[in-house]
Amino acid sequence: GAGVSQTPSNKVTEKGKYVELRCDPISGHTALYWYRQSLGQGPEFLIYFQGTGAADDSGLPNDRFFAVRPEGSVSTLKIQRTERGDSAVYLCASSEGGNQETQYFGPGTRLLVL
Amino acid sequence: SQQGEEDPQALSIQEGENATMNCSYKTSINNLQWYRQNSGRGLVHLILIRSNEREKHSGRLRVTLDTSKKSSSLLITASRAADTASYFCATDAESTLTFGKGTMLLVSP
Repeated sequence: GAGVSQTPSNKVTEKGKYVELRCDPISGHTALYWYRQSLGQGPEFLIYFQGTGAADDSGLPNDRFFAVRPEGSVSTLKIQRTERGDSAVYLCASSEGGNQETQYFGPGTRLLVL
Repeated sequence: SQQGEEDPQALSIQEGENATMNCSYKTSINNLQWYRQNSGRGLVHLILIRSNEREKHSGRLRVTLDTSKKSSSLLITASRAADTASYFCATDAESTLTFGKGTMLLVSP
């Protein structure tokens, strides 16, 4: 079956621009997670959805970052007024139930802010 | 913040040898998971061990968990060049997974 997919694979943008990153979770998975991974580091949690609602958004670094999951399936991570420090790989994962279940990761979107 | 810390940061071995990676964490957990990552892209789940388990096996992988020491180890036996990757432990002390910085494993043919 299809795994978690993310688009685009790579995104290059200029400082100050707005970007949207998309995640398609595994069909039927109710939980969806966004992580950010900088070079040489492990993934850092950003936000966790259970269904359509954000169950935990404590990892979002500031109010330039926002994520939605309007129908409980596809999710979009939105970054406003991008900064060079936002450059990283953004990973999405999904799981059948809550956070104690195995998470299945997508290939990530590599964001470069010039 | 990163709760898990893997040790060593990097490990280089020959094919056929065993590789052991350790993970230490700070707070109580429900379970601990190990993931593998190739080339800085998507992570692949390897094994999950619950807080009431002490050891778990999956193929060439063996994971131990010592909750009194807040530590876990991942053993890969009879390593292969294809095992070359970064390995991360992740704990669920809070509402979602918290990853360490990872161990980079290089297996030379």
